[in-house]
Amino acid sequence: ETGVTQSPTHLIKTRGQQVTLRCSSQSGHNTVSWYQQALGQGPQFIFQYYREEENGRGNFPPRFSGLQFPNYSSELNVNALELDDSALYLCASSQDGTGELFFGEGSRLTVL
Amino acid sequence: EDQVTQSPEALRLQEGESSSLNCSYTVSGLRGLFWYRQDPGKGPEFLFTLYSAGEEKEKERLKATLTKKESFLHITAPKPEDSATYLCAVSVYGSNDYKLSFGAGTTVTVRA
Repeated sequence: ETGVTQSPTHLIKTRGQQVTLRCSSQSGHNTVSWYQQALGQGPQFIFQYYREEENGRGNFPPRFSGLQFPNYSSELNVNALELDDSALYLCASSQDGTGELFFGEGSRLTVL
Repeated sequence: EDQVTQSPEALRLQEGESSSLNCSYTVSGLRGLFWYRQDPGKGPEFLFTLYSAGEEKEKERLKATLTKKESFLHITAPKPEDSATYLCAVSVYGSNDYKLSFGAGTTVTVRA
């Protein structure tokens, strides 16, 4: 059974740039969620995708967008990067969107 | 707005010294309360789900309990490998997503 994998693991961007983060969900899981975790904080919900449709969104501006593909993999796109976007971005998959989430190891984004 | 508060922020234990972590929550319509473990530089790892007051779950040296306003994670005779940040999260009814609202976590350090 393959777990959740994310890429890249680390990246550095400058303010105003755009970034795409990728996630492969665990085999058999049809729901993908993205979370942002700032240093010393708990993860914050960005959005969730179920069968390629966004079906829930947290308090994040529209410059945070996403996609889910037919194979249930997913992308998180962030436009016009700001310094406060520096964080660990976590992807999590689940079967039918339950709270029992399987997280990847995250993508550490630094915005300079 | 859903609120999840964890205490203490940090806990230093001697190996074998049992203790408890607290998670208090203020939500309208609890669907489930979740405990996760997070090691440095890793994504959270699912531990337990609790659904109703009075419910208890156990796994090795960990035991989670739930009341109408809070949950406790009891660590019995901890070992150094139990050192991690323990995150509490809640999911509520009323939306079509299963977003989790996390607390900031309790960082547990167990010394040999």
